[in-house]
Amino acid sequence: AQTVTQSQPEMSVQEAETVTLSCTYDTSESDYYLFWYKQPPSRQMILVIRQEAYKQQNATENRFSVNFQKAAKSFSLKISDSQLGDAAMYFCALRGGSQGNLIFGKGTKLSVKP
Amino acid sequence: NAGVTQTPKFQVLKTGQSMTLQCAQDMNHEYMSWYRQDPGMGLRLIHYSVGAGITDQGEVPNGYNVSRSTTEDFPLRLLSAAPSQTSVYFCASSGWVTTGELFFGEGSRLTVL
Repeated sequence: AQTVTQSQPEMSVQEAETVTLSCTYDTSESDYYLFWYKQPPSRQMILVIRQEAYKQQNATENRFSVNFQKAAKSFSLKISDSQLGDAAMYFCALRGGSQGNLIFGKGTKLSVKP
Repeated sequence: NAGVTQTPKFQVLKTGQSMTLQCAQDMNHEYMSWYRQDPGMGLRLIHYSVGAGITDQGEVPNGYNVSRSTTEDFPLRLLSAAPSQTSVYFCASSGWVTTGELFFGEGSRLTVL
């Protein structure tokens, strides 16, 4: 079975500072994909960043970057220069296997202080 | 661009009533799925489909039924609503069956009294 664990139910960051959200996962698949989704109060699910497991290079999207440690099965999200609009629920997710279903962690609620 | 469209966005039901949540996508995606989101639980998979005529159960399928007669549509039916089915429901689709990100609808908030 595939699992995704987010050990930080809530995090807080000062505006313009950097914050890292943690995620660990478990899978027996050799080919899989990892994602971070953002869910603001509007409840829309927004893709933040994706990482293909076969790529060694960490993905980056503007102020968002990941630290992908394949051997440790760790996939953390770093948000640089935090903005008020970054306040949201963040979900780590894993997709792999023959069915291709997306498995989510329980989420981390990020608040940004002005 | 419509993407994934869910209706209704809000619904209140009484225990025992049935209803259907509609989901349609205009991206010609083969993979479609339904999730429910509950506080502290993340999103949990209810049912999914890898193409027209093919459906399968996810993690929490009890009390729900699905069908996939066309590539575009994937309705979720609540057969006899229970208070435990009070939740936010998301439909999602993907152009690849086993890879790539999912595109989500805006969610449907269901309350069962």
